Amino acid sequence: DGGITQSPKYLFRKEGQNVTLSCEQNLNHDAMYWYRQDPGQGLRLIYYSQIVNDFQKGDIAEGYSVSREKKESFPLTVTSAQKNPTAFYLCASSKHGGSGADTQYFGPGTRLTVL
Amino acid sequence: GQNIDQPTEMTATEGAIVQINCTYQTSGFNGLFWYQQHAGEAPTFLSYNVLDGLEEKGRFSSFLSRSKGYSYLLLKELQMKDSASYLCAVVDSNYQLIWGAGTKLIIKP
Repeated sequence: DGGITQSPKYLFRKEGQNVTLSCEQNLNHDAMYWYRQDPGQGLRLIYYSQIVNDFQKGDIAEGYSVSREKKESFPLTVTSAQKNPTAFYLCASSKHGGSGADTQYFGPGTRLTVL
Repeated sequence: GQNIDQPTEMTATEGAIVQINCTYQTSGFNGLFWYQQHAGEAPTFLSYNVLDGLEEKGRFSSFLSRSKGYSYLLLKELQMKDSASYLCAVVDSNYQLIWGAGTKLIIKP
C-alpha cells in the first residue's frame, strides 16, 4: 500500500534540545510539505520541497530546518531557536511540485510536546 | 491580506443534512479544496472545485461561487463517523494553498 508515514506519533522534548521528525512517502510524489497545526488556526506551511535537493521556506520557517536528499524522505528538525514548538506537525506530499492546485496527501502527524 | 472564514463549530443530528460554509478573500483564485480531519489524525481529501457549480460525490457535495468568494460543503444522511473537522483551503494566484481554521462538526444521535 502506498502512503505517507510519520514517526514518532508522540514526541516529548526538553527545552533547548533539537529534535527531528521523520516523514517518508512511497507514492513517488515529487513535492513534499511540512505544516504546523495549532488549535483554532489553519494549517501553516513551514517548508516545502518540489524536487530532490531543493526546498523553500514557508510562512513560519524560523526555528526549523529540513533536508531533501532522497525523493521519499523529507525530515524536519525543530531547533532550540523555535520559541513555541509544542504543536501537531503534519507532513504531506503531492504528485507534482510547483502548484498548490495539486491534491496534497497527508501523513498521520506527530504531536510534539516541549516539557 | 488573505482570509478564509469558516464557522468554528456546528452541531447536527444523525440522519440529517448539514451545510458548512467557507468564504474567502485571497489574492487570486486557482481552486478550492475541502478536507476532512478526525481528531488527532491526518486530513483526508474530500473535493476540489475550480469552476462554479455543484460537485456531488455520494453523500458529500461541494459548491463554489467564484464571484461571491463562497463555497459550501453539503453532507447528507449524516452518520456518527462524520463527526470531524472540515477544512477549507484556497489556491491563490501564486499557487500557494491558504487554509481556513476548520469547522468542527458534532453529530448527535
